[in-house]
Amino acid sequence: DSGVTQTPKHLITATGQRVTLRCSPRSGDLSVYWYQQSLDQGLQFLIHYYNGEERAKGNILERFSAQQFPDLHSELNLSSLELGDSALYFCASSVDPGWTDTQYFGPGTRLTVL
Amino acid sequence: AQSVAQPEDQVNVAEGNPLTVKCTYSVSGNPYLFWYVQYPNRGLQFLLKYITGDNLVKGSYGFEAEFNKSQTSFHLKKPSALVSDSALYFCAVRDRMGQGGKLIFGQGTELSVKP
Repeated sequence: DSGVTQTPKHLITATGQRVTLRCSPRSGDLSVYWYQQSLDQGLQFLIHYYNGEERAKGNILERFSAQQFPDLHSELNLSSLELGDSALYFCASSVDPGWTDTQYFGPGTRLTVL
Repeated sequence: AQSVAQPEDQVNVAEGNPLTVKCTYSVSGNPYLFWYVQYPNRGLQFLLKYITGDNLVKGSYGFEAEFNKSQTSFHLKKPSALVSDSALYFCAVRDRMGQGGKLIFGQGTELSVKP
């Protein structure tokens, strides 16, 4: 157990809908990263927050947004869902965004869009 | 651009035999390299990382990795494979070009250990 929690574990929804994925980092970690894992794209970085502020964006669609709250948990919001958004969404946390710091991953949320 | 490559989609090993999962990297400057393992329906678990120093890095569950700068490789190894080692293994490099230090992952290697 990495200490990173994600809810829900599974999410099944329809095209056009909006969902929110939640991540609680390890105690003491200030950085939260979101990644998407799909069969065709592999593991892709989406977005990074550090202590409540956005630090970097990756291949994140405009329909997707995220935020990190004062208690350091983070939410990833996915809207106008399409079939191709079906994937595993992971969050990872680390103490700080330093290059040598280890990112610890949560168990993921499996999103299925029907 | 920084990248890692895992040249083998699948590696098959008999239990008790040594295993190697290959990874090569392409980065500007010194690389910060990581190995993660993903069991079915589970998240990624950190195995080990290379930052600097000794080229042989020891990690969790008896795994180790050898950093080779001249061959730009960071192969994952274990002297004696277990059936329970069967999983998906990812090599990753820290992105030092942009802000935030995201991980850039290889495509993964499926390790199958047969009794």
